[in-house]
Amino acid sequence: PVLTQASTASASLGSSVKLTCTLSSEHSSFIIAWHQQQPGKAPRYLMKVKSTGIYIRGSGIPDRFLGSSSGADRYLTISNLQSEDEADYYCETWDSDSNWVFGGGTKLTVL
Amino acid sequence: QLQLQESGPGLVKPSEILSLTCAVSGDSIISSTYYWGWVRQPPGKGLEWIGSSYYSGSTYYNASLKSRATISADTSKNHFSLKLTSVTAADTAIYYCLGNPVLYDGDANWGQGSLVIVSS
Repeated sequence: PVLTQASTASASLGSSVKLTCTLSSEHSSFIIAWHQQQPGKAPRYLMKVKSTGIYIRGSGIPDRFLGSSSGADRYLTISNLQSEDEADYYCETWDSDSNWVFGGGTKLTVL
Repeated sequence: QLQLQESGPGLVKPSEILSLTCAVSGDSIISSTYYWGWVRQPPGKGLEWIGSSYYSGSTYYNASLKSRATISADTSKNHFSLKLTSVTAADTAIYYCLGNPVLYDGDANWGQGSLVIVSS
């Protein structure tokens, strides 16, 4: 599978932003995971999102982080943006041969 | 709670072997709960999967590394290791170990990362 993400995104403090991860068409049913990487830190797991739109947040992840899905697109919506949400966001999936694949990441700027 | 901690030399010479270890606490590396893997991030770039292993002994590798990577487990120490041969400057990166859960409702867990610079 191939995962495609926009390289940058921006939104204002206190607003909402929706980040997109697009699966290659033949893999449109795959589950993906979202990870957040704040500047200078290790990535942190946020959630998994199914093709049905059902998502499950990781332990301790605030409910401001929501997942959804449409076709081959998987979304991460962050509401009530905080300064600490300024980070790189990566999506990840894995194929039937247990190969892991990461998207190129989206750099989110909080204005 | 699962915790992972990388360790290893921060400087490796070109053409030599890069060796890193990931110490796992909070679960056994021989449990069927997680895949154990390595991911790297060159300076200023994105995440790249290197390879992973499962308790059964199965290992999986990124084909782009052309068989230079080997992942092994030491069950007595509850850690797993990465060896990358014939390194070049292009292998300079932060190396992360990652426990990826088998089940949908499990959490992935990252180590804090280990910077490895390849330079003479």
